[in-house]
Amino acid sequence: QKEVEQNSGPLSVPEGAIASLNCTYSDRVSQSFFWYRQYSGKSPELIMSIYSNGDKEDGRFTAQLNKASQYVSLLIRDSQPSDSATYLCAVLYGNNRLAFGKGNQVVVIP
Amino acid sequence: GAVVSQHPSWVICKSGTSVKIECRSLDFQATTMFWYRQFPKQSLMLMATSNEGSKATYEQGVEKDKFLINHASLTLSTLTVTSAHPEDSSFYICSARDMTGGEAFFGQGTRLTVV
Repeated sequence: QKEVEQNSGPLSVPEGAIASLNCTYSDRVSQSFFWYRQYSGKSPELIMSIYSNGDKEDGRFTAQLNKASQYVSLLIRDSQPSDSATYLCAVLYGNNRLAFGKGNQVVVIP
Repeated sequence: GAVVSQHPSWVICKSGTSVKIECRSLDFQATTMFWYRQFPKQSLMLMATSNEGSKATYEQGVEKDKFLINHASLTLSTLTVTSAHPEDSSFYICSARDMTGGEAFFGQGTRLTVV
């Protein structure tokens, strides 16, 4: 199993809809999880961090963590064209390594 | 969020020369810094994890003698690409981890082109 896995292909959502992104990870003892947004040609920027099971909301973004299932997700409500980017899931492993998934491209259609 | 400054933002160098990239945390102390490489349309590939005052831990397949990492202070880490070749051309990005919050913030990235 890959360290951090983001499987789904490009996601197209109409403006105003909810975009849902999923991520699984392999290390059961990991405690820190992050979602980053990366625009083409730019470096990633941190959107959310989550450390405990359950939901964490910040504006239009909600991160969900389920450690038992080794699963973390990101919901983007009321999607805007400016949300069009690649979203990267990152997991901090116990040996202090921050590993990333391959990312999911989101396209918000006006 | 916290600010991480990476310099230069782009560099062109000749094959066989060395290039140094700096990564500074401007408003926080970073005991850990990460160096990544990203090829077009691909994800971030972790090259090494650097801890202040100790040797960097390199990922499998990354040559430590080619990619020299120094993390001499809590606010500065450098990556030196030695004897650069065209296949080293890539987008290099550093990330610094804020120990108070546990979050990692990225520099702007350095686009290296070796000709």
